[in-house]
Parts: sequence; C-alpha cells; structure tokens
Amino acid sequence: DTEVTQTPKHLVMGMTNKKSLKCEQHMGHRAMYWYKQKAKKPPELMFVYSYEKLSINESVPSRFSPECPNSSLLNLHLHALQPEDSALYLCASSQISGGTDTQYFGPGTRLTVL
Amino acid sequence: AQSVTQPDIHITVSEGASLELRCNYSYGATPYLFWYVQSPGQGLQLLLKYFSGDTLVQGIKGFEAEFKRSQSSFNLRKPSVHWSDAAEYFCAVVYNAGNMLTFGGGTRLMVKP
Repeated sequence: DTEVTQTPKHLVMGMTNKKSLKCEQHMGHRAMYWYKQKAKKPPELMFVYSYEKLSINESVPSRFSPECPNSSLLNLHLHALQPEDSALYLCASSQISGGTDTQYFGPGTRLTVL
Repeated sequence: AQSVTQPDIHITVSEGASLELRCNYSYGATPYLFWYVQSPGQGLQLLLKYFSGDTLVQGIKGFEAEFKRSQSSFNLRKPSVHWSDAAEYFCAVVYNAGNMLTFGGGTRLMVKP
C-alpha cells in the first residue's frame, strides 16, 4: 500500500475560523511533509517531520501549526488565515527524511479562505 | 543554491506523437534528479529518478529520462503519448542527501486527439 490519504478534499473557511487538515499513511514511513501549492506553481515546502519531531519549518507564519500525533498521522491546524492562504495543501511521506528518498504524495486538500 | 529550470511552460502534442520535456539544473556537483507528474486535482506521482550509474533511466508509464552532465540536463521522453498523459510535469533536484527537493516551475502537457 503506497497510499497517502488526506481529509478533507475541499475546505472553505472564514478568516476567523479554526480548522484542521489531516494526513495519514500506513507505509511505515518516518518522515512526513506539508507542502503548499498555488495555482500553476510548483509545491513549496512548509514543514518536515522526522521520527515525529519537527525538523524543518520553512519560515511559515504561526497561523499554520503542524502536529504529528504518531508516526502515521500528520495534522495541519489553521487559524486566522488570510485569503492569500487559499491553495492546494499537499501531504507527503518518505521512508526517511531527505530529498533523495522517494516521497509519496496525497491528493491534497483544496483550501479556500474567504 | 540548488535550482532547476523547465524552459517550457506549456507543450501541446498530438496523441501518438513523441514527447520531450526539458529540464536544466544548476550547480556544479552531481545532483539527484527526479520527474514527478501531477494530474488535475491530484497529488504528485514519481515517474523516475536518477542518482548515479546508467544515464538513461526508465520510469513508469513508458517514460524515460537521460542525464547529460555536459548539458546540465535531465530531459523526460516518451515515444508515443496517450491522451491520459495530459498533466503537469515537474522536474526536481537535490544536491545533498540531507537537503529537500527543489522543484522546477513545471510544464503543462496538453494532448490533441
């Protein structure tokens, strides 16, 4: 099973809302990633978790708060977002952290901030 | 800094025709190179990767890519394109095992019937 699942598929939220994105993998991977992808652009790395610890935060605003409750789950908590945060949010996982290991991507959550 | 360039933003080919998508990388060290495909509304799927060894790499879905150090290129090819190949294609590079992927800007492939 090489599947990474993400819920919800679509999310619409107001600027004062609090919501969470969820990502799950059952491949035994120890690295998980959050990417943000704007329309017609490549994915931009936001966070990397390695062995359930945050190892990379690419200067992401604090209104995005990642959480890794266990080795299979990755959450992204959203609060007080701005309309420019509207994007496709992709989760990925790999055996170990690092760009050389194949990353498996989920289908993404399409987020719209009103 | 590591970077990768995809010179073609859009490419249109006829179904059954051959395809070549261009990718050029910067920096002097030997890179780790990848091609990913993203279908509309989907995540990214790895097509193939090059780390070392044979410079012609075979991937999934009938794709191949050739690493050419002299040209700093890693172009993706397919001999006969199918309508289902219409998607966004991303080249990506890593220069050290501890670094993360750097993606090119992407090439959108459209397939004419």
